[in-house]
Amino acid sequence: GESVGLHLPTLSVQEGDNSIINCAYSNSASDYFIWYKQESGKGPQFIIDIRSNMDKRQGQRVTVLLNKTVKHLSLQIAATQPGDSAVYFCAENISGSARQLTFGSGTQLTVLP
Amino acid sequence: KAGVTQTPRYLIKTRGQQVTLSCSPISGHRSVSWYQQTPGQGLQFLFEYFSETQRNKGNFPGRFSGRQFSNSRSEMNVSTLELGDSALYLCASSQFGDGYTFGSGTRLTVV
Repeated sequence: GESVGLHLPTLSVQEGDNSIINCAYSNSASDYFIWYKQESGKGPQFIIDIRSNMDKRQGQRVTVLLNKTVKHLSLQIAATQPGDSAVYFCAENISGSARQLTFGSGTQLTVLP
Repeated sequence: KAGVTQTPRYLIKTRGQQVTLSCSPISGHRSVSWYQQTPGQGLQFLFEYFSETQRNKGNFPGRFSGRQFSNSRSEMNVSTLELGDSALYLCASSQFGDGYTFGSGTRLTVV
């Protein structure tokens, strides 16, 4: 059959506004989560991570929130800039000997001038 | 500190051929994992190596294989290439099972 691409959710924000990108993860046993940014033609770039013993973690202009009750992650980007335009992926992992990241389908963020 | 280096960046192969991709992890990182990225399936885990041992393998056919050398460099091999193997192949390295850092990938096109 014909192969279709994943339908990427899209988010458009004005330059200078805050962005919120959401992700639902699949495995309740996952205890480590990472947000990645991927620009066209490049590999995923690590943004921020969080472990399941935390609800919130802040980095430079970014904040990750974790809600284990509903298996939900969000990435907040403050004062969004044109250079933030990219596809953003969340990844989940279960700590232990099986080091395997399971990725979400990604969100395309477009920053409007 | 050098990042994760993948070579080559681009490859074009014919159906039925085989291909070998290389990944040099960040110095000191002993875990190397491989992922396939396609528009249709997104990012999917292939396998993970630690100290020359494969610790985990994703749901890919046996045509996909890999190995890791004593210096932590890793290679993956795909035999009997199919059109559907066209993808971006990404390698990630990790020191303590966190902070996975990805390389820029190898873009494989099978014609």
